[in-house]
Amino acid sequence: QKEVEQNSGPLSVPEGAIASLNCTYSDRVSQSFFWYRQYSGKSPELIMSIYSNGDKEDGRFTAQLNKASQYVSLLIRDSQPSDSATYLCAVHGNNRLAFGKGNQVVVIP
Amino acid sequence: ETGVTQTPRHLVMGMTNKKSLKCEQHLGHNAMYWYKQSAKKPLELMFVYNFKEQTENNSVPSRFSPECPNSSHLFLHLHTLQPEDSALYLCASSQVDSGFYNEQFFGPGTRLTVL
Repeated sequence: QKEVEQNSGPLSVPEGAIASLNCTYSDRVSQSFFWYRQYSGKSPELIMSIYSNGDKEDGRFTAQLNKASQYVSLLIRDSQPSDSATYLCAVHGNNRLAFGKGNQVVVIP
Repeated sequence: ETGVTQTPRHLVMGMTNKKSLKCEQHLGHNAMYWYKQSAKKPLELMFVYNFKEQTENNSVPSRFSPECPNSSHLFLHLHTLQPEDSALYLCASSQVDSGFYNEQFFGPGTRLTVL
């Protein structure tokens, strides 16, 4: 099993809709969870961090963490064309940060 | 300068060349990292330096040689690279407190092409 899995293919959402991204992880003792946004040709940019179970909201972004089920998700409300990017899930465990392969989001005007 | 800076931003080199990538962080962090990002692949961790000591070498070929002279600077020395080493090389930094790793902040990356 991969450390961090993001299995969904490219996600197309209409402008103004909610984009939902999921990520599962294998290390049960992981403590820190992050979502990064990466535009094509650019470096990853941190958009959310979450450390405890439940929801964490920041503007149009909401991260949800469920340690019992070992998943973390990201919701993007009122999606904008500028949200079109690849979103990377990162989980800290075993003294290292493991990244998923990313999910591409395309917001259609 | 703020955040994490990397130079050069683009590099083209032949397989017999020797070059170095430079990273500098202005965030007061105590850990720095080198990652490789190839097309359609996840980020691959290459090296970790914590308090200037290398704490991880993720089975990276010896043609990549890191150097961390202090907690703010990180280098990646390159020699006799292969075309498959062409990728985006990213530097990141974070604060490590009592073994707890906080979020990492990335530099803009160096786009490396090996001919």
